[in-house]
Amino acid sequence: QVQLVESGGGLVKPGGSLRLSCVGSGFTFTDDYYMTWMRQPPGKGLEWISYISSSGSYMSYAESVKGRFTISRDNAKKSAFLLMDSLRPEDTAVYFCARRGLGGSGDYFDHWGQGVMVTVSS
Amino acid sequence: SYEVSQPPSVSVSPGQTVTITCSGHKLGGKYVSWYQHKAGQSPVMVIFESTKRPSGIPERFYASKSGNTASLTISGAQAIDEADYYCQTWDKSVVFGGGTKLTVL
Repeated sequence: QVQLVESGGGLVKPGGSLRLSCVGSGFTFTDDYYMTWMRQPPGKGLEWISYISSSGSYMSYAESVKGRFTISRDNAKKSAFLLMDSLRPEDTAVYFCARRGLGGSGDYFDHWGQGVMVTVSS
Repeated sequence: SYEVSQPPSVSVSPGQTVTITCSGHKLGGKYVSWYQHKAGQSPVMVIFESTKRPSGIPERFYASKSGNTASLTISGAQAIDEADYYCQTWDKSVVFGGGTKLTVL
């Protein structure tokens, strides 16, 4: 079955950096699957952060993280990454990796990881 | 930026029917997905492309869209359905509603 497993979360000081990883299994990672990162701050709702195309040639970012976060992927390792620089306290959240759907419109996210906590605090 | 709105909370008695709405400008022309999210777990897609139910999702979950409002209906609600529900669409980028907390009591 499809699995997405995130890692790399933790406690970091404001202005610091962190790199999240997401490893996929149970599906062909390169089959036109866009990979996406979302987050959920404590007590708040889901927020889309970024996505990357299957080849890695196209990326998009939410305005709240543009210029600070970088998404990438290594298809050989069936992995997607999120490099987070210049972290702020408001970046504190559970971060989820999700797979964008392949059939039809593809305007949905059919599998999600369990999430990893990122805390930005001094 | 584009926004969609959901009621913060709804409640239902076990076995009854409940509807959660998602409203947005020109939402009728967009695809809407719905996700169930229980605390400490991964979100689960329960509806995609506005009305389609993924395999493994019970038939008591169904969705519709009319005008600028999309609706998720759970018929015969059960205690296990208690969760936060989010609608999601696209408008230049991914857009989530603020979420609706469903209480089954």
